[in-house]
Amino acid sequence: DTEVTQTPKHLVMGMTNKKSLKCEQHMGHRAMYWYKQKAKKPPELMFVYSYEKLSINESVPSRFSPECPNSSLLNLHLHALQPEDSALYLCASSHTGGLGETQYFGPGTRLLVL
Amino acid sequence: EDQVTQSPEALRLQEGESSSLNCSYTVSGLRGLFWYRQDPGKGPEFLFTLYSAGEEKEKERLKATLTKKESFLHITAPKPEDSATYLCAVGSNYQLIWGAGTKLIIKP
Repeated sequence: DTEVTQTPKHLVMGMTNKKSLKCEQHMGHRAMYWYKQKAKKPPELMFVYSYEKLSINESVPSRFSPECPNSSLLNLHLHALQPEDSALYLCASSHTGGLGETQYFGPGTRLLVL
Repeated sequence: EDQVTQSPEALRLQEGESSSLNCSYTVSGLRGLFWYRQDPGKGPEFLFTLYSAGEEKEKERLKATLTKKESFLHITAPKPEDSATYLCAVGSNYQLIWGAGTKLIIKP
């Protein structure tokens, strides 16, 4: 099973709202990722968790707050977002986080910030 | 500096017309080269991973090959459902670098 699930599929929020994106994988992977993707651009790495510890934070604004409750779950907490944060947010997982490992992606959450 | 370039940016083919997509790279140590397919508004779907020059992998109408400087994704007798954006990513010693993608359109 190479499935990564994400909820919700779509999210509309105002700039003062607080919301969370959720991701789950059951492949036994120990690395999980959050990416942001704008239209016609490749995915842009935001955060990497390896063995439930944050290992990479690509200078993402503090209005994005990741959380890894256990090795199967990954959350992205959103607060006071800006319209330019509207994008497709992708979760991925891989075996342990090595740069030679295949990453498996979820279907994404389409976020619109008004 | 690590760099990945995909060409062409867009490719329009007739159904059944075979062609190739290119991913050229300059990286500090190749850890792996990854091909993904992405439909609009959806997450990238994994296709192939290649690790060393000379390696080839096939899946249905797709075949991926790797040299020391580039990878090709060959598509044989494509169908309209093969229309998508194809993304290449390269793992170097320091980072995973994504190409900008090739948008493939197959006309019936």
